[in-house]
Amino acid sequence: EPEVTQTPSHQVTQMGQEVILRCVPISNHLYFYWYRQILGQKVEFLVSFYNNEISEKSEIFDDQFSVERPDGSNFTLKIRSTKLEDSAMYFCASSGVKGPGYGYTFGSGTRLTVV
Amino acid sequence: KNEVEQSPQNLTAQEGEFITINCSYSVGISALHWLQQHPGGGIVSLFMLSSGKKKHGRLIATINIQEKHSSLHITASHPRDSAVYICAVARGSRLTFGEGTQLTVNP
Repeated sequence: EPEVTQTPSHQVTQMGQEVILRCVPISNHLYFYWYRQILGQKVEFLVSFYNNEISEKSEIFDDQFSVERPDGSNFTLKIRSTKLEDSAMYFCASSGVKGPGYGYTFGSGTRLTVV
Repeated sequence: KNEVEQSPQNLTAQEGEFITINCSYSVGISALHWLQQHPGGGIVSLFMLSSGKKKHGRLIATINIQEKHSSLHITASHPRDSAVYICAVARGSRLTFGEGTQLTVNP
C-alpha cells in the first residue's frame, strides 16, 4: 500500500535554529498538507499546497513557516527560527486524484523538540 | 465552542462489546473523516463520509448531514482496537479535528 514518508522521525533543535522537516507524499497525489499536534492536544491544520502554491493556511502558519516542493517528490516544511512552543508532532499528509478529501494519507510524523 | 465535538472522551470496554463513538459538528462540511491514532502517534484514515453509511470489517460509520452528526461503531471489540479515534471535518482543503476518544478494550 502506498505510504507518505516523513524524515526524520525525531529531531531535537536549539531555540532559534532553523529546521526543515521532509516528506515524500504518495506519487500520484495532488494535494499536500502539514498538520501539527502539540502533546496532549488535538491535531491542528497548518497549510495545504496544490499546484505548486499554498492553497490555504491557518493563523498558526505565520512568517516563521514556509513550505516548498523542491522537486517532483519531496514536500518540506521549514521553521525559520524555532521557539519552545513549536515543540510538537508534525504530520505530513497527501490526498487526491479526485479532490482534496479523497484518499487522505498521513505520514507517521516527525517529533520536533525545541530546547 | 469547538467546531467538532466528540463523545465520550474516554471509553473502556470489555472484549466483545459493541462500541459507539459520536461526533457532532457545527459548520458546513464537504466530508467527514474518521481516523485512528495509536500510541506511537501515527494516524490512519478509517473512513471518509459525505452521506449515508460505510462498513469495513468490524467498523461501521454513519453520518446524518441534516443533524450534523456522525457515529463510529465497532462490533465485537478486541484489545487491538485500543487507540484514539478521531473525527475530522473537511472544509475547503483543510481538516478540522475533534479532541479524540481514547478507547481501551480489556480482554
